[in-house]
Amino acid sequence: QKEVEQNSGPLSVPEGAIASLNCTYSDQGSQSFFWYRQYSGKSPELIMFIYSNGDKEDGRFTAQLNKASQYVSLLIRDSQPSDSATYLCAVKSTGGFKTIFGAGTRLFVKA
Amino acid sequence: NAGVTQTPKFQVLKTGQSMTLQCAQDMNHNSMYWYRQDPGMGLRLIYYSASEGTTDKGEVPNGYNVSRLNKREFSLRLESAAPSQTSVYFCASSGGGRSYNEQFFGPGTRLTVL
Repeated sequence: QKEVEQNSGPLSVPEGAIASLNCTYSDQGSQSFFWYRQYSGKSPELIMFIYSNGDKEDGRFTAQLNKASQYVSLLIRDSQPSDSATYLCAVKSTGGFKTIFGAGTRLFVKA
Repeated sequence: NAGVTQTPKFQVLKTGQSMTLQCAQDMNHNSMYWYRQDPGMGLRLIYYSASEGTTDKGEVPNGYNVSRLNKREFSLRLESAAPSQTSVYFCASSGGGRSYNEQFFGPGTRLTVL
């Protein structure tokens, strides 16, 4: 059973719209949550991290965490074609060194 | 700073051949990781090194060995390559950045085993 689940997509949104990416995880001891962006043929890069329940905003990106529901999401406002990529959700337990990655959601922003 | 570097970028092997993938980081990070990425599977951890001198198995260690040569370098060895090891391999390091847990990835090695 996968520990971090994401819808593989593709998720297609028009330019300027809000893109909503979702992720669920199974380990209740998870404490650190990350969103990585990966362009085709490139390596992943961190765009957001969140540790506490609630929302965390950084520019056009908002990460949302609900530990009771074991759910983390990423909102991208004013989506741009340059946001077209695969978004990987990653989860880490306290005190451990392993970060578990989801399979990723492909986002396509139409101009 | 170069960040995380990997060599080679591409490699084609025949079944049974061996090779070593090299990884180095210049960010003075304590922890280093090797992942493989296959279509639809996401990133799967092969081995990791929490600090210099230690290594531990990840999710898919069979068929691989690692060496943490020093704080900068972490190599991955395939002793007898199999077609199932065809994948993209990423090295990563952590121990700094916006979050202590942020992982910085190298450019990847695209390996094909025939």
